[in-house]
Amino acid sequence: GDSVTQMEGPVTLSEEAFLTINCTYTATGYPSLFWYVQYPGEGLQLLLKATKADDKGSNKGFEATYRKETTSFHLEKGSVQVSDSAVYFCALFSGGYNKLIFGAGTRLAVHP
Amino acid sequence: DGGITQSPKYLFRKEGQNVTLSCEQNLNHDAMYWYRQDPGQGLRLIYYSQIVNDFQKGDIAEGYSVSREKKESFPLTVTSAQKNPTAFYLCASSGQGDYGYTFGSGTRLTVV
Repeated sequence: GDSVTQMEGPVTLSEEAFLTINCTYTATGYPSLFWYVQYPGEGLQLLLKATKADDKGSNKGFEATYRKETTSFHLEKGSVQVSDSAVYFCALFSGGYNKLIFGAGTRLAVHP
Repeated sequence: DGGITQSPKYLFRKEGQNVTLSCEQNLNHDAMYWYRQDPGQGLRLIYYSQIVNDFQKGDIAEGYSVSREKKESFPLTVTSAQKNPTAFYLCASSGQGDYGYTFGSGTRLTVV
């Protein structure tokens, strides 16, 4: 069945460091891909999305490129801030199940 | 502004009591979802509904019940049959052709 695999956390970085959170997926067809962010005690917010191969989603300095050949959608940011500390979820829309399939989430902690 | 509202934000109940969590959306979305999140864990799907008067079990439906009498509302009842109900509960909705979800801010349920 369709699935999403994220790198395990926590990821701990110093402020202004480069961030990569890996995400790979298994799915039939070409699903839409998403990154969501969850700040402490809150719900999830859509961070960015891509709907077809080679699309790049971007928002708030974060980017992710839909790579069909490697079935990946890695999240990157050139310079993280303390305020980026949160849990990040990768997800795909499964046409077969007609709903989003989420990865397990990756906790990011950024220190001054 | 359109959005999805969960209430209350914090809920305390005694063991053995049923409790109902509210979820209301004014986004005119057809589909609604309930997730459970335990500390440091990912999301687990409890129930979902893609149209009014219809809903399906998710991965962990035992001990929970839902209704979908109106498009805007999808309340979740945590029954006394749920063995470990203390958790953070998230409601989400999605529209036709829009594969991303909009999440509420969550309800933290504590059973004592």
